[in-house]
Amino acid sequence: AQRVTQPEKLLSVFKGAPVELKCNYSYSGSPELFWYVQYSRQRLQLLLRHISRESIKGFTADLNKGETSFHLKKPFAQEEDSAMYYCALTGSTLGRLYFGRGTQLTVWP
Amino acid sequence: DAGVIQSPRHEVTEMGQEVTLRCKPISGHNSLFWYRQTMMRGLELLIYFNNNVPIDDSGMPEDRFSAKMPNASFSTLKIQPSEPRDSAVYFCASSLDRGRGGYTFGSGTRLTVV
Repeated sequence: AQRVTQPEKLLSVFKGAPVELKCNYSYSGSPELFWYVQYSRQRLQLLLRHISRESIKGFTADLNKGETSFHLKKPFAQEEDSAMYYCALTGSTLGRLYFGRGTQLTVWP
Repeated sequence: DAGVIQSPRHEVTEMGQEVTLRCKPISGHNSLFWYRQTMMRGLELLIYFNNNVPIDDSGMPEDRFSAKMPNASFSTLKIQPSEPRDSAVYFCASSLDRGRGGYTFGSGTRLTVV
């Protein structure tokens, strides 16, 4: 069955440090992966799509089908990156997005 | 496009009252999703529609919850009667083609039942 796993519920780093938010998925078909970000008391916003292969706000994510992972990375974290991050999966047979439980990132000054 | 529009933004009601949350999806999107978010349970999918037809309502917590989508530009989520444990932020999201390409979320309705 399809599943998205974000193993870290909480993640803290200092400003300027690299950050990696982990996401693993299981799905038998061809996956489409996303990262969403939710700042405090705001809506979820699309951050990245794997098919776009773009960098948004300094974040990148690469789909690794061999490891079934889609980890989100940023080389130098900023305080304004503090937020909840959700990894999400869909595919041609799924009909909807499946979200992980989210990782709360805190960037300390 | 103004995005996904939800109303009201905030709702405070007394236990036992009926609550109706509203959502206007992005024009042209044919899939609509209702989510509930709480600190304890995180983000939960309640129900979703495709082409105005409910596809999966297995996330609706109990019969007190109901949702409708009478046309492509409007959906409601109703709670009757409301209870304090229904207090949460309720998000609506819409997408093309059942989530392919991702969702666009509304700003949410923060519901407090006292």
